[in-house]
Amino acid sequence: EVQLLESGGGLVQPGGSLRLSCAASGFTFSLYAMSWVRQAPGKGLEWVSGISGNGLSPYQPDSVKGRFTVSRDNSKNTLYLQMNSLSAEDTATYYCARVPGAGVFFDYWGQGTLVTVSS
Amino acid sequence: QSVLTQPPSVSGAPGQRVTISCTGSSSNFGAGYDVHWYRQLPGTAPKLLIFGNNNRPSGVPDRFSGSKSGTSASLAITGLQGDDEADYYCQSYDYSLSAWVFGGGTKLTVL
Repeated sequence: EVQLLESGGGLVQPGGSLRLSCAASGFTFSLYAMSWVRQAPGKGLEWVSGISGNGLSPYQPDSVKGRFTVSRDNSKNTLYLQMNSLSAEDTATYYCARVPGAGVFFDYWGQGTLVTVSS
Repeated sequence: QSVLTQPPSVSGAPGQRVTISCTGSSSNFGAGYDVHWYRQLPGTAPKLLIFGNNNRPSGVPDRFSGSKSGTSASLAITGLQGDDEADYYCQSYDYSLSAWVFGGGTKLTVL
């Protein structure tokens, strides 16, 4: 059974940093691209980062480029999201999601971890 | 403002058929990128409902179907049930943004 378990969320002050983790199990992690998708309270979904299976090709939208860094450790079956220079607009639940094969969609999602940026 | 446009809400009575529209542009649907749909029950993570325009993952009943034509797509749900109440999101890829994009979401209410 595919399982994705995020951790690392919490309360952080504006301008601060946070690193999220996503532990994967139930599939061969290195064979799949992975992504992070966030959802602000009461709002819709926003893709914020993706990375290829071998970790050599990270990609992000312009909205977070330069502030967010996605990485992975295939030996630990873990996906990471390093977030810097956080602002209130980054307050959201962050989900990790699996990208199947050559698809451009997300077939499995974690339960999410809440990041709150506030003083 | 989402790249893909969905109605904020739709409703229907139990047993009825409802559709949810998703309007894109020449840089996503019009460029040939597929539409995918997710369902999000209150307080839970999104779950894949339809992929590749009209394919259902294992376990998704055939009451759910999708279509895409030109720069528009839609999700149809037949035989509405109470537990279909949820938020529904469409998603695609936009080459001008080099980003995966979502619709703003549609809240389905079963009357």
